[in-house]
Formats: sequence, structure tokens, C-alpha cells
Amino acid sequence: DTEVTQTPKHLVMGMTNKKSLKCEQHMGHRAMYWYKQKAKKPPELMFVYSYEKLSINESVPSRFSPECPNSSLLNLHLHALQPEDSALYLCASSQGLWKAPNYGYTFGSGTRLTVV
Amino acid sequence: AQSVTQLDSQVPVFEEAPVELRCNYSSSVSVYLFWYVQYPNQGLQLLLKYLSGSTLVKGINGFEAEFNKSQTSFHLRKPSVHISDTAEYFCAVIQTGANNLFFGTGTRLTVIP
Repeated sequence: DTEVTQTPKHLVMGMTNKKSLKCEQHMGHRAMYWYKQKAKKPPELMFVYSYEKLSINESVPSRFSPECPNSSLLNLHLHALQPEDSALYLCASSQGLWKAPNYGYTFGSGTRLTVV
Repeated sequence: AQSVTQLDSQVPVFEEAPVELRCNYSSSVSVYLFWYVQYPNQGLQLLLKYLSGSTLVKGINGFEAEFNKSQTSFHLRKPSVHISDTAEYFCAVIQTGANNLFFGTGTRLTVIP
């Protein structure tokens, strides 16, 4: 298995809803990432997990809450989002934080989130 | 600090013509360089990467890129494009000692039949 699987592919949520995005990989990668990509913009890093511990938080608002329950799974919990949070949310994984340049990142297809 | 500049936001090119997508970077330390492709409604797929060694790097789908340290460039080239190459292309860097993949603003390649 050489894929990163993200579910759901599309999500529409109201500003008072609570929802979660899920990311799964079975490549034995120990680093996992959340990126946010607005329309016609490059992906921007949100969070990095290394060995199930939060390693980097790029000053992301607390309405986004990441969770890494095990080495294969990464969640992003969403609560009280704003319409401007509508974007494509991409998950990625790599063998390890410091191995990423050599072995690369594997990206999922993303969850397209619309906040209404 | 680092930055990645993709000079062309859109590049239209006729099918079977050659194409070059430009990427320049700036960094106070050495970097690793990457090109990713994003098809509509898809994630990112790695085309090629430069870590060290030969400055000419060959990737998937017939793409290649050349690292030029003096010009701090990493331009992507393909000698003959296909309709299926229509996509968004991102240049990205990682500074040595860091682990954050930093993207340029992207170039939209449109192949015209």
C-alpha cells in the first residue's frame, strides 16, 4: 500500500457544526502532516506529527484540533469554523521528519471543505 | 528565511511543443528542491527532486529539471507535452536541517490541442 487515504472527499458544514477529517496511511511512515490549500494558492503547512507527537503547529487557530491516535491515523477535528476556512485540506506522510527530503512526501487527494 | 518564486502563473502551450516552467528560490542555507504536479481535484504527486549530485534530474512522465546554484533556479522542462499534462505545477523547497516543505505559488500549464 503506497497511498495516503483521506475521508471524506467532500464536506459541507455549518459554522456551528463539529466535524472531523480523517487521514490514513499503511506505509510505516512516522511523520504526518496537515496542509491547507485555498483556491488557486499553494498548500500551506498547518501541523506536523512525528511519532504520534505534535511537532509543529504553524499558529493555527484553535478551531482546528489535530489528533494522531496511532502511527497510521491522523485526524483533524473542526469546530466553529468560518466561511474563510473553506479550502482543500491535504494530508501527507513521510518516513520520518528528517528523512523526508530523501524519501519524499506522499500526499492524499484531499478533503474539499465548504463552510456555510 | 526562504522563498520560492514561480515567475509564470499560467503557461499555455500547444500539444507536442516543448515547455519550460520556471522556478527560482532564495535561502540562507542549502536546500532540497522538488517539483509536484496537481491534477484537478487531486492531491500532489511528486514529479522529481534534487537532493545532491548531478544537476540534471529526470522525473516521471518525461519531465526533467536542472539545478543551477549560481542562478538559484530549478526550471522544469518537457520536450513534448501532451493534453494529459494540463495541471498545476508547484516548485517546493526544504532547507537543510528543516522539515517543512515550502511551496511556490504554482504555474497552471494548459496544453492546447
